Amino acid sequence: RKEVEQDPGPFNVPEGATVAFNCTYSNSASQSFFWYRQDCRKEPKLLMSVYSSGNEDGRFTAQLNRASQYISLLIRDSKLSDSATYLCVVDSNSGYALNFGKGTSLLVTP
Amino acid sequence: EAGVTQFPSHSVIEKGQTVTLRCDPISGHDNLYWYRRVMGKEIKFLLHFVKESKQDESGMPNNRFLAERTGGTYSTLKVQPAELEDSGVYFCASSQDSGQGEQFFGPGTRLTVL
Repeated sequence: RKEVEQDPGPFNVPEGATVAFNCTYSNSASQSFFWYRQDCRKEPKLLMSVYSSGNEDGRFTAQLNRASQYISLLIRDSKLSDSATYLCVVDSNSGYALNFGKGTSLLVTP
Repeated sequence: EAGVTQFPSHSVIEKGQTVTLRCDPISGHDNLYWYRRVMGKEIKFLLHFVKESKQDESGMPNNRFLAERTGGTYSTLKVQPAELEDSGVYFCASSQDSGQGEQFFGPGTRLTVL
């Protein structure tokens, strides 16, 4: 079983739509959870950390369900510039190595 | 502030040759990580340095891969001899703190082994 699993998509949505991505992780001992964004042929960049209480950053909301080992990312009012691959990332047993999902591809169309 | 830099951006070599990738972390970051993404797979951890010491190299595929970080500044990752399955994008990342500290990624080196 993979450490982190994501629906690869692609998700094609019109501008202004709301889109949600989900992710599950296998290591119940994981402590740190993140969403990274990766543009085509670029490096991954941290979008936001995910906390148990849930957190919001502008149009982006992240949720963590430890009991279900499930992480979500909600993007409201999608912009063309949101088109990218969204990577679900979870720390490993060591605490410093990161385990990545394969990513979910989002394309926002005019 | 300069980000993580990697050199070269692309490398095309033949099977059996040697390639050395370089990573310059953000100044002052003691933690340096190497990751790799092969086509169709997720990004995978290779190893972690704290300053010049290897903290964890459990992700290194085999002994054809050698990473060094002399002086605790930049790091090199040498592949010798390269095999076809080594093709992929090699990312370097650095962080100020290990554990929950944000890791900043470099642009990657795209390695193609023919």
